[in-house]
Amino acid sequence: LAKTTQPISMDSYEGQEVNITCSHNNIATNDYITWYQQFPSQGPRFIIQGYKTKVKNEVASLFIPADRKSSTLSLPRVSLSDTAVYYCLVGGSYSGNTPLVFGKGTRLSVIA
Amino acid sequence: DAGVIQSPRHEVTEMGQEVTLRCKPISGHNSLFWYRQTMMRGLELLIYFNNNVPIDDSGMPEDRFSAKMPNASFSTLKIQPSEPRDSAVYFCASSWDRGYEQYFGPGTRLTVT
Repeated sequence: LAKTTQPISMDSYEGQEVNITCSHNNIATNDYITWYQQFPSQGPRFIIQGYKTKVKNEVASLFIPADRKSSTLSLPRVSLSDTAVYYCLVGGSYSGNTPLVFGKGTRLSVIA
Repeated sequence: DAGVIQSPRHEVTEMGQEVTLRCKPISGHNSLFWYRQTMMRGLELLIYFNNNVPIDDSGMPEDRFSAKMPNASFSTLKIQPSEPRDSAVYFCASSWDRGYEQYFGPGTRLTVT
């Protein structure tokens, strides 16, 4: 399974853009990159998934360079409610046999 | 759809007792996952099923833990006998297939005294 490395914690002020980078040097050809968000006392929630280049939805953007050895989750203009743990996962290719595996995550604290 | 349903939401039991956690996945999903989350270890995958068949149980900590999925709409995670170190939040998640987006239930907070 591809291992991921992401910062343990980050702080940001409200209204700023937050970028969380995840390293996954041994990503496999068929692996996808997926990000989840977890609030206290809740289960993780899917944010965004991508394979290469850029993906965007109403919540976030995901940037993946050509070599796919890293990815960056971008949260535009964060608010206090974005305080959560963000997980980067690699794997779970639709034709593969491995499910997504959660790492330690990045604890984002948004400050007023 | 009501989402993934877990019961009970909270469980407090004494060491040595049997504990059974229950999960109803989202209808139509064929993959089901059991996770355990603690402050020390984070979110750990215990076991996952595909089409009701256990695919990988390498995350199950020891023989005291067992999981079953008798049909597509129900799964149980059993701990017998329970120990204080089993105290954690246990999540169940389901997905359309093993690599797709997982939908998590609200979790069961287990406390073993």
